[in-house]
Amino acid sequence: DAKTTQPTSMDCAEGRAANLPCNHSTISGNEYVYWYRQIHSQGPQYIIHGLKNNETNEMASLIITEDRKSSTLILPHATLRDTAVYYCIVRRSYTGNQFYFGTGTSLTVIP
Amino acid sequence: GAVVSQHPSWVICKSGTSVKIECRSLDFQATTMFWYRQFPKQSLMLMATSNEGSKATYEQGVEKDKFLINHASLTLSTLTVTSAHPEDSSFYICSASTGVNSGNTIYFGEGSWLTVV
Repeated sequence: DAKTTQPTSMDCAEGRAANLPCNHSTISGNEYVYWYRQIHSQGPQYIIHGLKNNETNEMASLIITEDRKSSTLILPHATLRDTAVYYCIVRRSYTGNQFYFGTGTSLTVIP
Repeated sequence: GAVVSQHPSWVICKSGTSVKIECRSLDFQATTMFWYRQFPKQSLMLMATSNEGSKATYEQGVEKDKFLINHASLTLSTLTVTSAHPEDSSFYICSASTGVNSGNTIYFGEGSWLTVV
């Protein structure tokens, strides 16, 4: 499996950009990088995913390095509601296409 | 995004009884659904992968006779915890894939809290 490594926790000032890094050095060529977040006692919420190119949607931007061994999730203007655990996941490209969750990054947005 | 709904949101059952949790994809057909459990302050642990019309594939260490999974239609999967014990108390979460490729997004339900007393 392509495993991911994320910092355990991060703080970000409200209104500033939150940059959450993720290492996935064993990723295979056709495996996607997904980002989800989980607010306490809720199911994970989909944020964004990508394969090779950088991606942007209404929630965030995803920057994937050229060698695809790492990526960064960017929340452009963090709000208090963005306080959550953020999971970076590499999706298996073969049987089952399962998601295996790591420990994630606990992001705290500070007023 | 697509919507996945779980029911019930929370349930309390007596030790030794069975409890069923439903997972529905409301606006798309899901050939594959996944079941997770999550203990407090821990990450999600994949329990099993459920494909419509076939037997579920369980992760190592998950008892298939205790956690019965049925995926009878493209919009419904159920998890039945049989002969529940207090250690089965947990947050159970389902998810559904919009397609069979790794680029197809997976959406998660709101989760179901199970307390066994």
